[in-house]
Amino acid sequence: GQNIDQPTEMTATEGAIVQINCTYQTSGFNGLFWYQQHAGEAPTFLSYNVLDGLEEKGRFSSFLSRSKGYSYLLLKELQMKDSASYLCAAMDSNYQLIWGAGTKLIIKP
Amino acid sequence: EAGVVQSPRYKIIEKKQPVAFWCNPISGHNTLYWYLQNLGQGPELLIRYENEEAVDDSQLPKDRFSAERLKGVDSTLKIQPAELGDSAVYLCASSSRQGETDTQYFGPGTRLTVL
Repeated sequence: GQNIDQPTEMTATEGAIVQINCTYQTSGFNGLFWYQQHAGEAPTFLSYNVLDGLEEKGRFSSFLSRSKGYSYLLLKELQMKDSASYLCAAMDSNYQLIWGAGTKLIIKP
Repeated sequence: EAGVVQSPRYKIIEKKQPVAFWCNPISGHNTLYWYLQNLGQGPELLIRYENEEAVDDSQLPKDRFSAERLKGVDSTLKIQPAELGDSAVYLCASSSRQGETDTQYFGPGTRLTVL
């Protein structure tokens, strides 16, 4: 079956660094997406990885290991506005996104 | 560039009543998705359109849900009759495949409450 696993909730301190992990199992693979979703709002696109390695985009970076079925989202210099849910989604061979349940990130002052 | 537009943003109805949601995708995006999202969960695909053709509706409860995308642009999702368990956020997304990338962009969603 197809499956995405990510932690339910994480807590971090303002100004610190946090890493949100995601493991996936899909029928075929056409990339790994990370989305941010603030409470009561729609998911917004953060990053896309299809090749192994680290993609850096400002304070956010995303890493992919296809052989391990593993990805992480790294958030640096955390700000209070980063409090949100972070959704990991893998695209299968039919270009369908398989979604995780999301990781709720709580930032404390 | 305008994003995905959805209406209404909120809807409260009594069970057994009909309800309809409307979506206008990003201009030029040929793929349109309807998702359902419950609190604390990821989006669940209901139906995917490639232009006006429904290419994946395997998760759509066809006894009460229907959708259409006339002319391959706007789309409407309907529930008739609504049940208590249909209370959720209904998200519309659109995408346009660029090589290997097919990034989905979401509208603000419609929060449905069935009483």
